[in-house]
Amino acid sequence: AQSVSQHNHHVILSEAASLELGCNYSYGGTVNLFWYVQYPGQHLQLLLKYFSGDPLVKGIKGFEAEFIKSKFSFNLRKPSVQWSDTAEYFCAVKDRGSTLGRLYFGRGTQLTVWP
Amino acid sequence: NAGVMQNPRHLVRRRGQEARLRCSPMKGHSHVYWYRQLPEEGLKFMVYLQKENIIDESGMPKERFSAEFPKEGPSILRIQQVVRGDSAAYFCASSPGTGQTGNTIYFGEGSWLTVV
Repeated sequence: AQSVSQHNHHVILSEAASLELGCNYSYGGTVNLFWYVQYPGQHLQLLLKYFSGDPLVKGIKGFEAEFIKSKFSFNLRKPSVQWSDTAEYFCAVKDRGSTLGRLYFGRGTQLTVWP
Repeated sequence: NAGVMQNPRHLVRRRGQEARLRCSPMKGHSHVYWYRQLPEEGLKFMVYLQKENIIDESGMPKERFSAEFPKEGPSILRIQQVVRGDSAAYFCASSPGTGQTGNTIYFGEGSWLTVV
């Protein structure tokens, strides 16, 4: 089974600061990787995903993530955060070799951006 | 994604009652997943279903919880004799299928169960 670690449980930034949220997973096989965002009281929305190809993936709202296979990492970045980015961010991994299709989630990182 | 419809959005039950949560997948999706989100925790997989079949229920508690996805109608997550510890957000997700390309899973807006 997969294990997904998100290193920071709560990150507090001022607007315009740069953001990097860490995500590491345990499985050594071929994986699909996702970042989801959850605004208060809402459902999870897909920010970006990596299936194959260019390891630097660009998503919505100015977010990007870099897949580093040797480090089993898929860190999320944004050069300049906004107050509206305040939300919880979840990293998720899917084993491409499995037919089961389930996602394994990290515990989540709560991002608070002060105006 | 608004395409995955869950209801009710909020449900309050007394201890010992039954809770039924419904999920209609996105159009064209035949795979449904249920996840549970407890306070201060990430999402935990519960069950994966296709039409009329339970594919993986390894995340379901052994007792009181059941899920179905009938040929017609929504998927149902049923919790019998609820206890306070069942209070959580229950998210349904759907995908068109699995396979090597790794279809993306889309989530519904969740059903928040409160047991009093």
